[in-house]
Amino acid sequence: KAGVTQTPRYLIKTRGQQVTLSCSPISGHRSVSWYQQTPGQGLQFLFEYFSETQRNKGNFPGRFSGRQFSNSRSEMNVSTLELGDSALYLCASSFVGRGEETQYFGPGTRLLVL
Amino acid sequence: AQSVSQHNHHVILSEAASLELGCNYSYGGTVNLFWYVQYPGQHLQLLLKYFSGDPLVKGIKGFEAEFIKSKFSFNLRKPSVQWSDTAEYFCAVQTGANNLFFGTGTRLTVIP
Repeated sequence: KAGVTQTPRYLIKTRGQQVTLSCSPISGHRSVSWYQQTPGQGLQFLFEYFSETQRNKGNFPGRFSGRQFSNSRSEMNVSTLELGDSALYLCASSFVGRGEETQYFGPGTRLLVL
Repeated sequence: AQSVSQHNHHVILSEAASLELGCNYSYGGTVNLFWYVQYPGQHLQLLLKYFSGDPLVKGIKGFEAEFIKSKFSFNLRKPSVQWSDTAEYFCAVQTGANNLFFGTGTRLTVIP
C-alpha cells in the first residue's frame, strides 16, 4: 500500500500570503489529522477530519483551516501568514472502525514564511 | 490538560549499549500509547503501540516498551543499539479522541 503523501514538499511564502497544503491518505483510511512541528513547540495537533467533517480541533487560531473531500483527501489552509507559521506540517491518516486508531504520517510539507 | 514528558533531550550511546528512554504522561483516564521515530531526513514512523492487554509491547527493529499504569509511564527500551538507531524518538498519548499529544522528543546519537 502506498503511504501518506503530501504536496508540495517545500514552500516559500511571504508574510500576509495564504497557503494551501494537500494530503492524500493511505487507501482505506478515512481519518486525516494535521500537525505542526517546530523546534520550539514540537509536534502540535491542528485538527482531524473524518468523513468530510472536522471531528477534533487543536488550539490554533482561525487562520488555520482545513477540509476533507469525499475521497478522504484533505487540504489545510493558512491565511495571512506570519513568520511564526514557518514549520513542518505533517499529515497523518488512520483507519477508523476497530476502536484502535493508529496514525501513519506523511513526509510533511516544509513551509518557510519570509 | 494532557501533557507528555520526555526528560531525556539528547542521549549519546556507543553501539551495543542498552537504551531506555523515559516517557511520562499526565491524564487520569484510559490512554493509548505510541512511540514514533524520525530518522534523519525521513518522516515519522511508528515504532510500537499500546492499546490494551499485555503492558509489555514489542515493536519493530528490536524495540519494546512497558506501560506502567501506576507510574503513568511508557518507557522505550532496546537491549543493544546500533548506529542505524540514531534518530529522534517521540512518545505520544491518545486520549479518547483521535488526536495525539506528543512529547518534545529525545535525540539519540549512537557512536560506532
